[in-house]
Amino acid sequence: GAVVSQHPSWVICKSGTSVKIECRSLDFQATTMFWYRQFPKQSLMLMATSNEGSKATYEQGVEKDKFLINHASLTLSTLTVTSAHPEDSSFYICSVLRDGYEQYFGPGTRLTVT
Amino acid sequence: QKEVEQNSGPLSVPEGAIASLNCTYSDRVSQSFFWYRQYSGKSPELIMSIYSNGDKEDGRFTAQLNKASQYVSLLIRDSQPSDSATYLCAETSGAGSYQLTFGKGTKLSVIP
Repeated sequence: GAVVSQHPSWVICKSGTSVKIECRSLDFQATTMFWYRQFPKQSLMLMATSNEGSKATYEQGVEKDKFLINHASLTLSTLTVTSAHPEDSSFYICSVLRDGYEQYFGPGTRLTVT
Repeated sequence: QKEVEQNSGPLSVPEGAIASLNCTYSDRVSQSFFWYRQYSGKSPELIMSIYSNGDKEDGRFTAQLNKASQYVSLLIRDSQPSDSATYLCAETSGAGSYQLTFGKGTKLSVIP
């Protein structure tokens, strides 16, 4: 498997502020990471694919200027939600790609924007 | 548009029974298949991956793949209340495509 951590596990912020979420691969070097979000009782939605040292590839409908992704090292990717609004409240989950096919998920970060 | 179909459930089985979860997929070029378990409020956990036709066993779990029928299943033997969760079926096309296409998940309840 793979050990993936996320920080923070939950965060509450005020509307208009920015929030940074960290995703760390603890036991191997992850060239490729993914960011998802999940609204209550809904499926996981892929937001973007992040490759170390290059720009992230965003899914259609995801604003790249709002959701900033930085994959600066083989063990760390960050997602910054800029100018957060209540509709951005969700469960944000990262995953790492291992052995070319298997994705292992972090524990997730629950964001609440008030 | 690739699709992965699962019965949303809930599927209820008594403790100790076999739970059978099914999944069909639309893309004939799909190569890799995965079963994830997701407890309420938690992130998905990979429990099985399968790439070749046939059965793959890991402890109480058996994944079955039939590419001709575009069908993949997960059997859970000796089901336990702790197995109660939503089970997500997912696939990738391989060939450099790593993105997962998920089904909507089947909610399993194991009744003590």
